Amino acid sequence: ILNVEQSPQSLHVQEGDSTNFTCSFPSSNFYALHWYRWETAKSPEALFVMTLNGDEKKKGRISATLNTKEGYSYLYIKGSQPEDSATYLCAPNYGGSQGNLIFGKGTKLSVKP
Amino acid sequence: GAGVSQTPSNKVTEKGKYVELRCDPISGHTALYWYRQSLGQGPEFLIYFQGTGAADDSGLPNDRFFAVRPEGSVSTLKIQRTERGDSAVYLCASSLSQYRERTFGSGTRLTVV
Repeated sequence: ILNVEQSPQSLHVQEGDSTNFTCSFPSSNFYALHWYRWETAKSPEALFVMTLNGDEKKKGRISATLNTKEGYSYLYIKGSQPEDSATYLCAPNYGGSQGNLIFGKGTKLSVKP
Repeated sequence: GAGVSQTPSNKVTEKGKYVELRCDPISGHTALYWYRQSLGQGPEFLIYFQGTGAADDSGLPNDRFFAVRPEGSVSTLKIQRTERGDSAVYLCASSLSQYRERTFGSGTRLTVV
């Protein structure tokens, strides 16, 4: 069973704070890593798909890095806003079964105004 | 359509009954996925379709669960002899290919009483 760990489980920050969280995953036979953002009562929304070691992607105030050799990814949010409040999910997939994303439990971010 | 549509949004059924959950993916998306999310967990992979065929059904928990996609667009997840442990949010997603980000529907919340 492949274990994907996300930390912290939850995070409370003030508006304007920058924050980051971690996704750890088995590195063997790795193919790609997906990040999703899931707001309450909405659908999960794709943020990034990353494949290469050292990859760094950015979307507005959110960025992510990837280390495929040691099996981790960081997600950064610069200057958090209340609308960033959501659960952030990471999900790797592996060669031979690219259809199967293996999700972590997520990091729940709450940003107070 | 503009997004992935799932119906019904909520379903309450009695233990032992049969249920069908429907997913209407984005037009042109050949890949379709079903996930199940229980409280406090990340989405758990169930099955992945490429066109009309199930490319990976390794996540289906037992033979009470079955899914079809007869014309390569709409998919139906079927659960026979429902049990209380089947209660969860069932998410459907689609993508242009298994290598691309998924677009999720809003989910069907199934409650077995």
